[in-house]
Amino acid sequence: QQPVQSPQAVILREGEDAVINCSSSKALYSVHWYRQKHGEAPVFLMILLKGGEQKGHDKISASFNEKKQQSSLYLTASQLSYSGTYFCGSLGNQGGKLIFGQGTELSVKP
Amino acid sequence: GAVVSQHPSRVICKSGTSVKIECRSLDFQATTMFWYRQFPKKSLMLMATSNEGSKATYEQGVEKDKFLINHASLTLSTLTVTSAHPEDSSFYICSARVGRPGLAGETQYFGPGTRLLVL
Repeated sequence: QQPVQSPQAVILREGEDAVINCSSSKALYSVHWYRQKHGEAPVFLMILLKGGEQKGHDKISASFNEKKQQSSLYLTASQLSYSGTYFCGSLGNQGGKLIFGQGTELSVKP
Repeated sequence: GAVVSQHPSRVICKSGTSVKIECRSLDFQATTMFWYRQFPKKSLMLMATSNEGSKATYEQGVEKDKFLINHASLTLSTLTVTSAHPEDSSFYICSARVGRPGLAGETQYFGPGTRLLVL
């Protein structure tokens, strides 16, 4: 079952912060975050493997609440290069198929 | 990170012809690759799982006779769209699995995609 992302779209000014949420009605064993620029393939950002885990690099970080079956991606002091569509993906406990949410389109304006 | 390539990046073909798309893992071996289809402003829809040396596993609603998948080696999977029609026009993306299924760190790296236009 497809994870649900919110919001569907967000527009930011450069330097502003944003949060993208990903939730699932099925158990999440790991959450994968990708960013896709228009016309390009998704680029791997990070993976969260267990509840309570938080990760980050540069000014992009994420958390995973296993009990709530939710993950959030945090973009701090956004840059123009952050623009794109962000997808969360979930894997079952047997691994295998990565099922993506519907995506969140992020636009960062100067 | 791992590098996955796809060829061609764009292809235009006439209705009724077949088109082959290649997906290669360049610096690692991939026993499992995945084929996705993406419509404009939509999410990635998994079409099939390609396993080296065995038959592909197709998702519900995907015609296996129309979308032929061959995973001939540990670095190459091909998707052939047979008797293509305009409704097959789409962005096709492959990915390769890194890490062992079900174990920590398993993820996928994506190829750059192939844009198919059927006239």
